[in-house]
Formats: sequence, C-alpha cells, structure tokens
Amino acid sequence: GQQLNQSPQSMFIQEGEDVSMNCTSSSIFNTWLWYKQDPGEGPVLLIALYKAGELTSNGRLTAQFGITRKDSFLNISASIPSDVGIYFCAGANSGGSNYKLTFGKGTLLTVNP
Amino acid sequence: EPEVTQTPSHQVTQMGQEVILRCVPISNHLYFYWYRQILGQKVEFLVSFYNNEISEKSEIFDDQFSVERPDGSNFTLKIRSTKLEDSAMYFCARSRTGNEKLFFGSGTQLSVL
Repeated sequence: GQQLNQSPQSMFIQEGEDVSMNCTSSSIFNTWLWYKQDPGEGPVLLIALYKAGELTSNGRLTAQFGITRKDSFLNISASIPSDVGIYFCAGANSGGSNYKLTFGKGTLLTVNP
Repeated sequence: EPEVTQTPSHQVTQMGQEVILRCVPISNHLYFYWYRQILGQKVEFLVSFYNNEISEKSEIFDDQFSVERPDGSNFTLKIRSTKLEDSAMYFCARSRTGNEKLFFGSGTQLSVL
C-alpha cells in the first residue's frame, strides 16, 4: 500500500519559534490534509489541500501541496504552548464514494513556554 | 466543524467477546468511515461505507469485523470475537461527500483483556 514518510518524528522548540514539518510519498495523492491530535482525542482537521502547488493558510498555520503531488509541508509561525500535540499528514485519492486516508506516523511537537 | 459523537468513550472487554462501537449520524453526511489507532502508532483506515454498503475495506477489516447503519440510525462497528491485538482507539469519521474534508470523532478506546 501507499506509505507516507513524515519528518521530523519529534520537535522540541521554544515558544515564539516557527516550526516546519513535511511529508513525502512514493506515489501521488490528489488530496493532502493536515491534522492535529491531542492525547486521548480524535484528529482535528487543520488544513485541506486539493490542488498541486496550492498554498493555504489557517491563522498561524500554512501548508502547501507539492507540485509533484508527492509531498506537502506544514509551517506553524510564532508557536504557542497550546500548539503542543501530534501533527499528522494524510493523503487521499478521493473520488466517487470513497475517501480513504493514508496517514503519516506523526510529528510530536513540544513547545517550551 | 461538524461534531462527530462516538459511544462509548471507553470499552473494556474479555478476549473472545463481541463489542459494538457506535457513531451518531449527522443528517447531511452520507459517507462514513472507521479508522483505528494502536497506541503510539499512526491512524489506519479500516472501512468506508456509503449508501448502506461497504465501498472499500482494508486488509485489517477481516471477517471478524462488520459495519452497518440500520434504518438510518447509528453507524456501528462490530467486532465479533475480540482478540488482544484489537486493543486500540477506534475513530468514526464522516464527510458530506466522497471528496470533501474528513472529520473525526473523539474515539472509543477499546481494551481487550
């Protein structure tokens, strides 16, 4: 099956710093999504990307869908303590009645106040 | 973001017992999914469900698993005879169409003893 490589595996930063994480795939996806998961909770959708080259922002978050459709990155600017959590990228080849996501292994973000 | 409600939030069961996990529907969401996450690992696709039938399932979704949405009521995942390795967080997810954003519930933590 399709595999996503997400990096880094974990990050430890100071409050106020910017953060960047990315995902790469050996195969093409036509949709990329970024989720955040807090302990004991379900993934919460942050940003959805539908077109190659698309750059989308959501507050302090910015994500881009790579031109090759095999990669995506997520940037968080001016990090705050509540940004702590696990960030997952997910790719999909949605269409018709199916929307199956393939998830990366996640990036654990720790923000030191 | 549409709320996705799952019950129970925690389920403890003995190996070999049957369990049923439930997801409360939203009227205009037609596509349903079950995902699971073993502790410390990535989220994995189990099954997608549309128009009262399975549209795709993963290799994890073997004969011990079944899904249904009887009479438009709760969307359920049944595990017929649980195994130790079924212990995981199970997430219901929904989307309004097959090509839109996927929203996850807060999950059911299943522990098989």
